[in-house]
Amino acid sequence: GQQLNQSPQSMFIQEGEDVSMNCTSSSIFNTWLWYKQDPGEGPVLLIALYKAGELTSNGRLTAQFGITRKDSFLNISASIPSDVGIYFCAGQSGNAGNMLTFGGGTRLMVKP
Amino acid sequence: DSGVTQTPKHLITATGQRVTLRCSPRSGDLSVYWYQQSLDQGLQFLIQYYNGEERAKGNILERFSAQQFPDLHSELNLSSLELGDSALYFCASSPRFYNEQFFGPGTRLTVL
Repeated sequence: GQQLNQSPQSMFIQEGEDVSMNCTSSSIFNTWLWYKQDPGEGPVLLIALYKAGELTSNGRLTAQFGITRKDSFLNISASIPSDVGIYFCAGQSGNAGNMLTFGGGTRLMVKP
Repeated sequence: DSGVTQTPKHLITATGQRVTLRCSPRSGDLSVYWYQQSLDQGLQFLIQYYNGEERAKGNILERFSAQQFPDLHSELNLSSLELGDSALYFCASSPRFYNEQFFGPGTRLTVL
C-alpha cells in the first residue's frame, strides 16, 4: 500500500528558531494535509493543499505541495513553546473514497 | 473544538469482549471516517461512510464493523477483543465537496 515517509522523527529546538519538516511518498497524491496532535487529543488540521506547487500559510506556518505531487513540506517560523506536539502529514489520492494516508509524525520539542 | 464528538473518552475492557464506539460528525458533514492510532502502526484508516453507505474500507479486521445511521452519527463495533486492539480510535468528518477531515477527540480503548 501507499507509504508516507516523514522526517525528521523528532526535533528539539530553541524557542525562536525556524522548523522544517517534510513528507515523501512513493505515490502521487491529489491533496496534502498537515495536522498537529497534542497528547491524548485528536489531530487538529493546520493547512490543506490542493494543487501541485501550491504554497499556503496559516500564521507562522507555511506548507508547500511538491510539484511532483509526491512530497510536501511544512515550515514553522519563530517557534514558541505552544508549538510543542506531534505534526503529521497526510495524503489523499482520491481513489477509493477520501481516506487519508498518514506519515509517522514529527515530534517537536521547544526549549524556552 | 472540531465539532466532531466521540463517546466514551476512555474504555477499559477484557479480552474476548465487545464494545461500541460512537461518533457524531460536524453539523452538515455527510462523511464519517474511522481511524486507529497505535504506537507501532501509527494512524491507520479503517472505514468510511457517506450518507449512510459504506464508501471505502482500509485495513479493518473482520472482527470490526461500523455503520452510519440516518441522523449521520456512526458507531464502530469491535468484537472478540484482543490485547493488540488497545489503541486510540478516532472519528473524522468532512464537508461534502471538500477533502479536509476534522477529527474528534478520540476514544482510548484498553483491553486487559
